[in-house]
Amino acid sequence: QVQLLQSGAEVKKPGSSVKVSCKASGDTFTNFRTFSINWVRQAPGQGLEWMGNIFPGSGRANYPQRFVDRVTITADEFTRTAYMQLNSLTFDDTAVYYCAREAGFCSGGSCYSQEYLQHWGQGTPVTVAS
Amino acid sequence: DIQMTQSPSTLSASVGDRVTITCRASQNIYSWLAWYQQRPGEAPKLLIYKASTLQSGVSSRFSGSQSGTDFTLTISSLQPDDFATYYCQQYNSHPWTFGQGTRVEIK
Repeated sequence: QVQLLQSGAEVKKPGSSVKVSCKASGDTFTNFRTFSINWVRQAPGQGLEWMGNIFPGSGRANYPQRFVDRVTITADEFTRTAYMQLNSLTFDDTAVYYCAREAGFCSGGSCYSQEYLQHWGQGTPVTVAS
Repeated sequence: DIQMTQSPSTLSASVGDRVTITCRASQNIYSWLAWYQQRPGEAPKLLIYKASTLQSGVSSRFSGSQSGTDFTLTISSLQPDDFATYYCQQYNSHPWTFGQGTRVEIK
């Protein structure tokens, strides 16, 4: 069973950066390389917001326009860890940040990406305070 | 970006009630829609994908359906564990977008 373990809570000052990690276990190396790790955040009392994703094997990342200048998502295949760095923090970035791996399967030498978010980390609270 | 509009935002119901939550996409997303359940203090949990396919291990009380760009999540007989917030999400095209959520509370 895939498990995603995220780094601990962070308190940051406005204008600084935060880097959150997400370590995968319970899955094959091929699956980690092949299927995307996504980042989703949730401000207090608010809904879910997708921040982007990465395919660890290729390093290819996708970002929504509103985050393209501030977010960098990376992944280390060998430690099976994905990272999300958010720069130029403001008070509005106070939220719980989740990583989530898409569903997918490999069969007969081919792998099939399903894109919906099947496995979730426990969340990392990030507080921006002066 | 594709807008996902969920209704209602809050729903009051009793144990045993049949509950329906709707989600409308601003454009055609085919059947690329998922539903998630989120209990307070927990990460979201996948319930349904491809509009109507039940995720393995999820109770058959949950079902999903589609009519064009309108999607529905139905809970056939509400149980105490089902009081939570539900989100729809489209994965037809980037950026992935979520509905604003429907909180199901005890009447």
